[in-house]
Amino acid sequence: QVQLVQSGAEVKKPGSSVKVSCKASGGTFSNYGVSWVRQAPGQGLKWMGGIIPIFGTANYAQKFQGRVTVTTDESTSIAYMELSSLRSDDTAVYYCARHWRNSFDFWGQGTLVTVSS
Amino acid sequence: QSALTQPASVSGSPGQSITISCTGTSSDVGSYNLVSWYQQHPGKAPKLMIYEGSKRPSGVSNRFSGSKSGNTASLTISGLQAEDESDYYCCSYAGSNTLIFGGGTKLTVL
Repeated sequence: QVQLVQSGAEVKKPGSSVKVSCKASGGTFSNYGVSWVRQAPGQGLKWMGGIIPIFGTANYAQKFQGRVTVTTDESTSIAYMELSSLRSDDTAVYYCARHWRNSFDFWGQGTLVTVSS
Repeated sequence: QSALTQPASVSGSPGQSITISCTGTSSDVGSYNLVSWYQQHPGKAPKLMIYEGSKRPSGVSNRFSGSKSGNTASLTISGLQAEDESDYYCCSYAGSNTLIFGGGTKLTVL
């Protein structure tokens, strides 16, 4: 059974960056790919970006283009999402999710990132 | 790129059927049969319920079904149960290697 375990909650200052990790156990990302999805308090899910192997490179939602970087380390089965120039409205729970058949079949537990001065 | 449009809320009584719509455009829902649906209970990670428009992952009840017509995808839950009360989100491939979610629908079982 695949499990995605994310790093712990973070508190960041406006203007700084955050890097969240997502470790896969019982499987890898190399054959599936991984995306990052965020959910602001009381709000819906928003796809931020991901790496899809058949496309070969990372792709990002226009809203986050230039601020987000998604990478994977296949040797350790860890995916990373780095978001820069943080603002208060970046406060959200960030999820990693594994791609499967054009959907997301396994999800991490979520990482709360709070941006506050 | 705007989120796919879902009703904010739907409700139904136990045993009834409900349908949640997900309206996009000819650039996303209308162009690809790649809509997935997720159930999310409060404080929990989303759970995949339907993929590729109408397919159920192993372990998901056959009370859940998906369909599409034009630019609108739909999730139907039949034989409503109290445990179905949750938030539901649709997600579609949107071209250029991007995906887009709907705004979410809160299902209340009366």
